[in-house]
Amino acid sequence: KQEVTQIPAALSVPEGENLVLNCSFTDSAIYNLQWFRQDPGKGLTSLLLIQSSQREQTSGRLNASLDKSSGRSTLYIAASQPGDSATYLCAVRGNSGYALNFGKGTSLLVTP
Amino acid sequence: DGGITQSPKYLFRKEGQNVTLSCEQNLNHDAMYWYRQDPGQGLRLIYYSQIVNDFQKGDIAEGYSVSREKKESFPLTVTSAQKNPTAFYLCASSSGSTFRTGELFFGEGSRLTVL
Repeated sequence: KQEVTQIPAALSVPEGENLVLNCSFTDSAIYNLQWFRQDPGKGLTSLLLIQSSQREQTSGRLNASLDKSSGRSTLYIAASQPGDSATYLCAVRGNSGYALNFGKGTSLLVTP
Repeated sequence: DGGITQSPKYLFRKEGQNVTLSCEQNLNHDAMYWYRQDPGQGLRLIYYSQIVNDFQKGDIAEGYSVSREKKESFPLTVTSAQKNPTAFYLCASSSGSTFRTGELFFGEGSRLTVL
């Protein structure tokens, strides 16, 4: 069964810092990997989707990379802002292809 | 605007009662999903549906039921058989030309509390 782990579980940084969130998965035979943001009490917002044939995706200040062979993905956030404070979840669509396996998330706090 | 609408946002239920959570999407997506989220745990898949009139059990389907009579709608019923139903429930749908490579989009969630 695909296991998805996110490290760290929580992170606090001052505004303006660049930061990296990590996601690892146990089965490298994946179809895609998706990063989400979740604000308290809200649904998930899709940030980036990386197909298995891709190495990275970028959207604004966000950059996600994928290394299937090592079972890792990173989400890079440049010049962090207080509005970036949220929980970030990584999810992998594996062999079955029917649904995503989620990590437990990294709770990010960006302080002014 | 296109999106996924879940209702109600908050729901309170007495023990022994069945409740139905609504999920409607206007994204023209074929695949729809129900996830459950509990504090300190990742999202867990309850049911999913790839096409109308077809659905499959996920990892924690016991005590839940679904239907998929229309492409746009995928309601979830939490039955009295569900031992610990208090949770945050999230509906999602999947886009893309092929089922497996599509991006997943979520609704705003429904919070169910059993009194």
